[in-house]
Amino acid sequence: EAQVTQNPRYLITVTGKKLTVTCSQNMNHEYMSWYRQDPGLGLRQIYYSMNVEVTDKGDVPEGYKVSRKEKRNFPLILESPSPNQTSLYFCASSLVASGPTYEQYFGPGTRLTVT
Amino acid sequence: KNEVEQSPQNLTAQEGEFITINCSYSVGISALHWLQQHPGGGIVSLFMLSSGKKKHGRLIATINIQEKHSSLHITASHPRDSAVYICAALIGDDKIIFGKGTRLHILP
Repeated sequence: EAQVTQNPRYLITVTGKKLTVTCSQNMNHEYMSWYRQDPGLGLRQIYYSMNVEVTDKGDVPEGYKVSRKEKRNFPLILESPSPNQTSLYFCASSLVASGPTYEQYFGPGTRLTVT
Repeated sequence: KNEVEQSPQNLTAQEGEFITINCSYSVGISALHWLQQHPGGGIVSLFMLSSGKKKHGRLIATINIQEKHSSLHITASHPRDSAVYICAALIGDDKIIFGKGTRLHILP
């Protein structure tokens, strides 16, 4: 089954404790992206990747890191999480390297709480 | 001012009504994406439009590039259509800006 998986689905952590949210897709997609969703603000793009070893900042990259060492995986790293990073996070992937020109497939979301 | 504006923010209608959700954008776009977010949180893609009109079942999406406006229509609405509908503007080949969503509630 074609899908985007994220882990963990729910995470409660404390300020400053490094964490990684994994994202994996099994569709051989070239484009992958991370978004956060906050009440009243909607979805906002954090980072995206056009292909392996190619990543770029979205609208709200501060406090986040990403890597794309393999085509299928695009982990989101919070080196020192802060309470303002409490949010619902979505990973998504799309077929083409030239961008999200085609349908994006979204992961199920990761609800992160930083206390 | 947001670059992508949706209206209305909230919409409650009776089952069977014709629904229209609007999306206006102020930037040049390469395409516009309509998404549906279920009450459980999952997001699915409905349409990707760069011109004209697309139809899938009871859903119809239109876009007017000159007017920088897109609409999502639902015919014969049903309670299972209750969800948040989000439009997203694709800028160039890689950036995406989302509207804040329209929360639709269809009453039986």
